[in-house]
Amino acid sequence: NAGVTQTPKFQVLKTGQSMTLQCAQDMNHNSMYWYRQDPGMGLRLIYYSASEGTTDKGEVPNGYNVSRLNKREFSLRLESAAPSQTSVYFCASSDKTIYGYTFGSGTRLTVV
Amino acid sequence: SQKIEQNSEALNIQEGKTATLTCNYTNYSPAYLQWYRQDPGRGPVFLLLIRENEKEKRKERLKVTFDTTLKQSLFHITASQPADSATYLCALVLHGSGNTGKLIFGQGTTLQVKP
Repeated sequence: NAGVTQTPKFQVLKTGQSMTLQCAQDMNHNSMYWYRQDPGMGLRLIYYSASEGTTDKGEVPNGYNVSRLNKREFSLRLESAAPSQTSVYFCASSDKTIYGYTFGSGTRLTVV
Repeated sequence: SQKIEQNSEALNIQEGKTATLTCNYTNYSPAYLQWYRQDPGRGPVFLLLIRENEKEKRKERLKVTFDTTLKQSLFHITASQPADSATYLCALVLHGSGNTGKLIFGQGTTLQVKP
């Protein structure tokens, strides 16, 4: 019963490099989300996918792109990493709001 | 402006006491309010949900209240234990979110329960 799996757990990038954060869920949830968490800022929504085949911007989408590859997988791509993107990134999924989100364990990203 | 505020300072209490955490919001109209627990280095874990038309919800030692007039939710942990030490996050689901279920999170309050 894995829940939400994120890879990698840690990553250091140089400014300008690109990378993709992977997320997969095995709970057959329709909706998936990417958040970033910064000290004192709380969790902020980057992008979300309400259902397979759809994606929408959240509060802080600039510098990111997403792909909902299938119902299970939702990836987050940084095309040209910047130090301001240093953060902890969380993927989450949900079936219905009343059941809450299930979060992954996070990816700690440092951009130098 | 819209904002969600939780106690920014850590809450320190003695084991066995009741911990009370506050979540205030401004210029939002939430349909639901959720509470999560987050341990260091881990993702948040869903604890409880309360609807706008509910005053109170309980789950074991946890109790949540929701006052839409005061725009405030209180989260209580009774008979607190050191294992309850963590950061607690409140989150709003707004009217009109439809099926997206987007959550807006507060910044969290860290609770430390001392033996």
